[in-house]
Amino acid sequence: DAGVIQSPRHEVTEMGQEVTLRCKPISGHNSLFWYRQTMMRGLELLIYFNNNVPIDDSGMPEDRFSAKMPNASFSTLKIQPSEPRDSAVYFCASSWDSPGLTNNEQFFGPGTRLTVL
Amino acid sequence: GQQVMQIPQYQHVQEGEDFTTYCNSSTTLSNIQWYKQRPGGHPVFLIQLVKSGEVKKQKRLTFQFGEAKKNSSLHITATQTTDVGTYFCAGNSGGGADGLTFGKGTHLIIQP
Repeated sequence: DAGVIQSPRHEVTEMGQEVTLRCKPISGHNSLFWYRQTMMRGLELLIYFNNNVPIDDSGMPEDRFSAKMPNASFSTLKIQPSEPRDSAVYFCASSWDSPGLTNNEQFFGPGTRLTVL
Repeated sequence: GQQVMQIPQYQHVQEGEDFTTYCNSSTTLSNIQWYKQRPGGHPVFLIQLVKSGEVKKQKRLTFQFGEAKKNSSLHITATQTTDVGTYFCAGNSGGGADGLTFGKGTHLIIQP
């Protein structure tokens, strides 16, 4: 299995531009998570999906951030417009979870390092 | 909301010394997971603890879950240079497909 795939691996953009991060979860997994990691704030959960449905987006910083999961094998995280404070590493992770059971391990992708100038 | 505190933030040890990181939650957890992130890498799952008072071992690593299911620890015996990285605990107070709350991690630095 190729694991969780994220693209791009690095993104440098200017303030005000739209940024789209992409994630392909592990085949067969039904939960997908987007995290943001910075030195100051650590690893923060932004949003997660179960069976392609957004379950909790309370970690999304503001309306400039949006996430979609149109099907079981693809998700996007979009920032529009981007700001310098959005600079961070964004991780996507996936897992298999059954209702009523405890969480299973999450498999993280390699991350996208975003720099907003 | 749920908070997960982790100490220490940084730990310098000499190779061969032991290392321990502690994790405390503001709420009772249904389970706790531990992850390791190498410098420049991504978090990798180490283990999950579910039962009150549970202790699990992986070679030189010992994981404990507190009786009240609000704290946990990871202990590494006789550290090696390959243990370098950041160790995160991550907790969940619900069940099923809920998001994890990660601690800020303990950065382990090993001096040869």
